[in-house]
Amino acid sequence: QQPVQSPQAVILREGEDAVINCSSSKALYSVHWYRQKHGEAPVFLMILLKGGEQKGHDKISASFNEKKQQSSLYLTASQLSYSGTYFCGTAGTGNQFYFGTGTSLTVIP
Amino acid sequence: EPEVTQTPSHQVTQMGQEVILRCVPISNHLYFYWYRQILGQKVEFLVSFYNNEISEKSEIFDDQFSVERPDGSNFTLKIRSTKLEDSAMYFCASSVQGNGYTFGSGTRLTVV
Repeated sequence: QQPVQSPQAVILREGEDAVINCSSSKALYSVHWYRQKHGEAPVFLMILLKGGEQKGHDKISASFNEKKQQSSLYLTASQLSYSGTYFCGTAGTGNQFYFGTGTSLTVIP
Repeated sequence: EPEVTQTPSHQVTQMGQEVILRCVPISNHLYFYWYRQILGQKVEFLVSFYNNEISEKSEIFDDQFSVERPDGSNFTLKIRSTKLEDSAMYFCASSVQGNGYTFGSGTRLTVV
C-alpha cells in the first residue's frame, strides 16, 4: 500500500534541478507532497486531485498521472533551503493515507 | 496561521506504563490523524478519526492503542502498555478533506 519513491537520495549543487518520482500499486485519488526537515514535522507542499493536474509553487512543481498511478515532483534551480526529506502521500478510498518511502535531498553550495 | 498543537514535546516513560499524547487540531478541521515515525524511517499511518469515531486504522494500531476526542477540541492517543519499540516521534494531523494535512510539531516518545 505504501507508495514507492525514487531516487532514495540525491545530492545537488545549488542551482541544479531534481525530479522525485512517486509510484503506487493501488488506484490513486489524490497525491500530496511534503517536505520534512530533520527533527521537524512534515510540511505540506501541494496536493494534486486529478489526473493530468500540474501545480507549482515557487520553483517546485508536481504532476499527477492518474492512469500510471504516478506523480513526480520537480525542483528547479535548487536552493539550500530545499534540503530535507520529501514524501509523497497517496489517498485511496476512505480515509487511508500513506506516505511514500521518502527521498532525501541534500543541496550543497 | 492556524496550527496543530501537540503536547508534550518529549515524553519519557518506563516500559509497561500508559502514556497519553495530546493534540489540539485546527478548529474548523473535521478529520484527525495520528502518524508515527521511528527515527530515520518513514512516516507511518496509525489511525484516522472522523465524526467521533475511527474511520481507518493500520495494522500498527492494535489493541494497546486508542484515540479519543474527549471535549470537542483535544484529540488524544493513548498507548496502554508501552513497549521499547513504541519509541518514536508521534505526529498528529488534521485536515479539511481534499486539502493538505497540517501536522503538529510532534511528540518524541522514549520508552526505557
